[in-house]
Amino acid sequence: DAGVIQSPRHEVTEMGQEVTLRCKPISGHNSLFWYRQTMMRGLELLIYFNNNVPIDDSGMPEDRFSAKMPNASFSTLKIQPSEPRDSAVYFCASRKRDLQETQYFGPGTRLLVL
Amino acid sequence: GENVEQHPSTLSVQEGDSAVIKCTYSDSASNYFPWYKQELGKRPQLIIDIRSNVGEKKDQRIAVTLNKTAKHFSLHITETQPEDSAVYFCAASISGGSYIPTFGRGTSLIVHP
Repeated sequence: DAGVIQSPRHEVTEMGQEVTLRCKPISGHNSLFWYRQTMMRGLELLIYFNNNVPIDDSGMPEDRFSAKMPNASFSTLKIQPSEPRDSAVYFCASRKRDLQETQYFGPGTRLLVL
Repeated sequence: GENVEQHPSTLSVQEGDSAVIKCTYSDSASNYFPWYKQELGKRPQLIIDIRSNVGEKKDQRIAVTLNKTAKHFSLHITETQPEDSAVYFCAASISGGSYIPTFGRGTSLIVHP
């Protein structure tokens, strides 16, 4: 298995631009998580999907952030408009909802908003 | 909700020494406790986990202990090596449900050659 795939791996953009991050979970996994990691806040959960349905989006910082999961093999996290404080590493993770409970993280997208 | 405290935030040891990282949790219903290792610029990766029906689990130089009564669990690394240098995260969650894992803030472990 290729593991969780994220794209792009690096993104540099200017303030005000729209940013779209993409994630392909591990095949057969039915839970998907979006995290943001910064030095100041550590690893923050933004949103969690189960069977393509958003279950908990309480971590989404504000209306500028939105996430979708149109099918079991694809999810997007969109920031519009982007701001310098959004600069962080964004991780997608997937999990199969069984006794294992292990989350598998993607390689992350390093976002820099100038 | 669940709250996970992790200590220390940084830990510096000499190669060959042991390292211990401790976490406490608040929700007595939590029963699954994974540990992740994140090397610089890489993704967090699971290194070991423990469920509440056991008190200790070992995997070569790594071990995890769990004290359900006190609601704390620890990661023990013996005979540390420079390649053990990384940030380690603990987490707590309820197995089998939609409960979301809560992560600690991480411990930066530095192993000096």
